[in-house]
Amino acid sequence: KAGVTQTPRYLIKTRGQQVTLSCSPISGHRSVSWYQQTPGQGLQFLFEYFSETQRNKGNFPGRFSGRQFSNSRSEMNVSTLELGDSALYLCASSLVASSLTDTQYFGPGTRLTVL
Amino acid sequence: EDKVVQSPLSLVVHEGDTVTLNCSYEVTNFRSLLWYKQEKKAPTFLFMLTSSGIEKKSGRLSSILDKKELFSILNITATQTGDSAVYLCAVYHGSGNTGKLIFGQGTTLQVKP
Repeated sequence: KAGVTQTPRYLIKTRGQQVTLSCSPISGHRSVSWYQQTPGQGLQFLFEYFSETQRNKGNFPGRFSGRQFSNSRSEMNVSTLELGDSALYLCASSLVASSLTDTQYFGPGTRLTVL
Repeated sequence: EDKVVQSPLSLVVHEGDTVTLNCSYEVTNFRSLLWYKQEKKAPTFLFMLTSSGIEKKSGRLSSILDKKELFSILNITATQTGDSAVYLCAVYHGSGNTGKLIFGQGTTLQVKP
């Protein structure tokens, strides 16, 4: 069974641009969560989707948004990029309704650099 | 303010030693506590704890939660160099659409041969 896949793996953008990251969960998993990891702030929860609905949300500005499709694939969008958005963005999938209380499997991450 | 604090922040031991990592938390509406291991890649799930006093074990790793004192420990016995990693503690709190996951700073463990 294939693991969680994220694309692209690396991305370089400039301030003010917008970016879309993609996450494909493990086959059969219906819940996807997104995280931001930086050296200064550590790992921070962005949001969680289940059955195309956002179930939980972290403390990030509205520039960060996401969605989930009927096949459980999820996308995360960041608009008007800032230098501080440079980070490793991880997504995790799990089988059941709330991935925050169940075993989560992480993807390899997308390394975003904002210049 | 909701927070999760891990200690120590870093630790150096030798193979065969036993280590104890600590995680304390202050959150509203606690739901569960999770431990992860992160090497030079994405975190790997270790344990999820919801009930106080019940130990979870997986090989040489074990963890227990104390909901009264608001902390958890992760024990690793007979450490090996492959245990070198950052160990992350996270707490899920809240309910429904207001649920959030807060991570601690992590404990960097280095196991020397």
